[in-house]
Amino acid sequence: GENVEQHPSTLSVQEGDSAVIKCTYSDSASNYFPWYKQELGKRPQLIIDIRSNVGEKKDQRIAVTLNKTAKHFSLHITETQPEDSAVYFCAASHTGFQKLVFGTGTRLLVSP
Amino acid sequence: DAGVTQSPTHLIKTRGQQVTLRCSPKSGHDTVSWYQQALGQGPQFIFQYYEEEERQRGNFPDRFSGHQFPNYSSELNVNALLLGDSALYLCASRAGGSGTDTQYFGPGTRLTVL
Repeated sequence: GENVEQHPSTLSVQEGDSAVIKCTYSDSASNYFPWYKQELGKRPQLIIDIRSNVGEKKDQRIAVTLNKTAKHFSLHITETQPEDSAVYFCAASHTGFQKLVFGTGTRLLVSP
Repeated sequence: DAGVTQSPTHLIKTRGQQVTLRCSPKSGHDTVSWYQQALGQGPQFIFQYYEEEERQRGNFPDRFSGHQFPNYSSELNVNALLLGDSALYLCASRAGGSGTDTQYFGPGTRLTVL
């Protein structure tokens, strides 16, 4: 079955710096890759997603890139702010199954 | 427009008991998935319901069962509770007929098994 690996497990940056989180998936049939942000005690919130027919997608300070050949995708956050501090999860799924397989999460800490 | 809602918020049970968790999907959504999130880990897929039938199932034992009602709401039942069932149980909904993959999560039910 699908397996998603996520790195790093923790990431500490200074406010204003960029942060990059990387994920690798195993199932070449996967074609949908969302990223969720989860604050302590809260629900996972979708922040951006990308489908396999697109190589890059951007939404203000957040961008996601996808390399289908290498089977990896990355989340890029620019101009980080303290409120970006949270746990970020990547996930993968494919049409027909649609279950999300999650990575192990990255704890991002943005220091003022 | 209400998002995904879940009840109860917290629940404490003892080993061997049974529990029922409830989920109401986002307005316009007809597909409901359940996930288990242990502390410090990513959510793990339990099963998915569409048109009142279980469509997919993850690697969870038969002690985990579910139901979907005609109004698309769903229940997750867990029998013979074990200490290891302590987790945050998340419900996610999507609009199955629209072809979109996007799933939205509810706030979760925190289950503690003593």
